[in-house]
Amino acid sequence: DAGVIQSPRHEVTEMGQEVTLRCKPISGHDYLFWYRQTMMRGLELLIYFNNNVPIDDSGMPEDRFSAKMPNASFSTLKIQPSEPRDSAVYFCASRGRVLETQYFGPGTRLLVL
Amino acid sequence: TQLLEQSPQFLSIQEGENLTVYCNSSSVFSSLQWYRQEPGEGPVLLVTVVTGGEVKKLKRLTFQFGDARKDSSLHITAAQPGDTGLYLCAGVPQGDMRFGAGTRLTVKP
Repeated sequence: DAGVIQSPRHEVTEMGQEVTLRCKPISGHDYLFWYRQTMMRGLELLIYFNNNVPIDDSGMPEDRFSAKMPNASFSTLKIQPSEPRDSAVYFCASRGRVLETQYFGPGTRLLVL
Repeated sequence: TQLLEQSPQFLSIQEGENLTVYCNSSSVFSSLQWYRQEPGEGPVLLVTVVTGGEVKKLKRLTFQFGDARKDSSLHITAAQPGDTGLYLCAGVPQGDMRFGAGTRLTVKP
C-alpha cells in the first residue's frame, strides 16, 4: 500500500487566493483526519470524517475553511480566501477503527504571502 | 492551554545519554499514544498504552502509562543521533484524538 497520499507537497500562493489541498487515504480505512501544524500551536485537529461523513469540525478555524469527502478514497481541504496566518503544514491521516493506528501523510507545506 | 502538556519542549543531549520526556494532563484517557516526527514527514506511531500502570518497551525506548491514566512518560536509553525528532503524545479524552505540543529532541554525535 502506498500509504496516505497528499498533494501538492508544497504550495506558495498570494493572500486572497483559493487553496485546495488533496488527500487519498489508505484503502479500507473508515476515518480520515485533517490536521494543521505550526511551531506556535503544534498539531491541531481541524476536522475528521467517518465513512465519508464529517463528524467533528470544531477545529476548523473559520468559514474560510471547508472540507469535503465525496467518496471513500478522496478528500479536500479548501481555504478561500487564504491569508498569511494560514501558512502551516497541513496533514491528512487515516485509520481503520477507533483504537487502530492512525497513519499520516507527508503533509502539504503551505505558504501564503 | 494544551489538553496534553509535554515537557521539556526542547532537549539537546549527547549520544549515549539517557533521557525522559513527559506527557501530563488533568484529564483521564482511555489510551495514550506516542509518535515520532522527523523533519519534512508526518508523525509515525511508536506505541499505544491502554492500561493504567502499563509499561511497554520498544528496543531502547520504554513507555509508561500512569496508574490514573492521566500521564505518560517516554524513557530513551543510550540515545543515538537517529532518535532525533519531535516526540508527540496523543490521547482520546472524549470524541477524538488530541495531540500535545511535543518535545523536540536533538541527539548530538
